[in-house]
Amino acid sequence: AQSVAQPEDQVNVAEGNPLTVKCTYSVSGNPYLFWYVQYPNRGLQFLLKYITGDNLVKGSYGFEAEFNKSQTSFHLKKPSALVSDSALYFCAVRGGNTGFQKLVFGTGTRLLVSP
Amino acid sequence: DADVTQTPRNRITKTGKRIMLECSQTKGHDRMYWYRQDPGLGLRLIYYSFDVKDINKGEISDGYSVSRQAQAKFSLSLESAIPNQTALYFCATSDGLAGGVSTDTQYFGPGTRLTVL
Repeated sequence: AQSVAQPEDQVNVAEGNPLTVKCTYSVSGNPYLFWYVQYPNRGLQFLLKYITGDNLVKGSYGFEAEFNKSQTSFHLKKPSALVSDSALYFCAVRGGNTGFQKLVFGTGTRLLVSP
Repeated sequence: DADVTQTPRNRITKTGKRIMLECSQTKGHDRMYWYRQDPGLGLRLIYYSFDVKDINKGEISDGYSVSRQAQAKFSLSLESAIPNQTALYFCATSDGLAGGVSTDTQYFGPGTRLTVL
């Protein structure tokens, strides 16, 4: 069965510092990995995805994520955090096998960037 | 994402009432989904549809039904609402096979906050 773990309920970082939001996964076959962000009273916005190829994926708003197959991880990173990055972040995984594979979400990590 | 709209945005109702949540999309996607979000649980799939005639149950479909009225419209109904259906509900769409590569990235609406008293 597919699963995603986001081990931190909340991450606190000062503005201008680098940030990392952690995600590990379990899936049969090759993984398709996604990061979404949810701002208050808004839906989930797609940030980036890993399907195949380069392990470092670049996405919206200066975010990037690194796929590590041996550690089954897909951590979200940003070199310099902004206060406006404060939001709820979800990691999601889908198996790459043929046929429909549902998207499984982690429980979310709240990022709080202080001025 | 403005291409996926949900109505109503907020709804308060009473136990036993029938409720319909509506979703419309202008992205031209064939696949549509309904999820519910509960604090600490992430998003869970209720129903999904690949086209008007293809509707499937997700992991938590009990107490819910859906209707795919057109490619662009997918509604979720609670036939007899109960308090533990209080949650944030999201509609999403995806493009399925695009150019032969199954990326199937999902795009979400703004959500409907439903409270059942």
